[in-house]
Amino acid sequence: EDKVVQSPLSLVVHEGDTVTLNCSYEVTNFRSLLWYKQEKKAPTFLFMLTSSGIEKKSGRLSSILDKKELSSILNITATQTGDSAIYLCAVEAGDSWGKLQFGAGTQVVVTP
Amino acid sequence: GAVVSQHPSRVICKSGTSVKIECRSLDFQATTMFWYRQFPKKSLMLMATSNEGSKATYEQGVEKDKFLINHASLTLSTLTVTSAHPEDSSFYICSAIQDRGTDTQYFGPGTRLTVL
Repeated sequence: EDKVVQSPLSLVVHEGDTVTLNCSYEVTNFRSLLWYKQEKKAPTFLFMLTSSGIEKKSGRLSSILDKKELSSILNITATQTGDSAIYLCAVEAGDSWGKLQFGAGTQVVVTP
Repeated sequence: GAVVSQHPSRVICKSGTSVKIECRSLDFQATTMFWYRQFPKKSLMLMATSNEGSKATYEQGVEKDKFLINHASLTLSTLTVTSAHPEDSSFYICSAIQDRGTDTQYFGPGTRLTVL
């Protein structure tokens, strides 16, 4: 059975800290791994990773995939209170396009 | 990025009634739409894949007669929760893909369903 596991489930940091979130997966026919940020409503897209070892960056956020270890990390540097959210990792796998399996998410709380 | 809307954003209904939720892609044609549900403090669970002009594909454990999906056009998919019960109360989110193979899903803002 395919599974996507995120850790930690939650964490609280102070503004300015760096956060590292983990996502590991066991799936058949891996296609891509995606990171989303979910605040009050629907998830917003952050990154899509398909190749190992290539870091993707967007401002203070970055992410990298390790296909050998079947995992990915999402880094947030110089955190701000606006980074408080649930960060979801999803894996696209199998024979059907677009079907995502989500991890449980990591709730990040950034305190002033 | 592309915009996906959902209507209504929030609905409260009595047990036994049916509720229809609409998902629209506003500025692109979506060949495929997906329906998810999310319980409080839980992750998104895929319910079904909706393809324009064909029957929806349901995930294991999702009752197709209870959750009716109609993908009537390239910009609209509807989810009808039939004979709703309190355990159907959840956050329902749709997503849409413009082209198969681009892999970028755009999510709607979600619909909060409360069944009394």
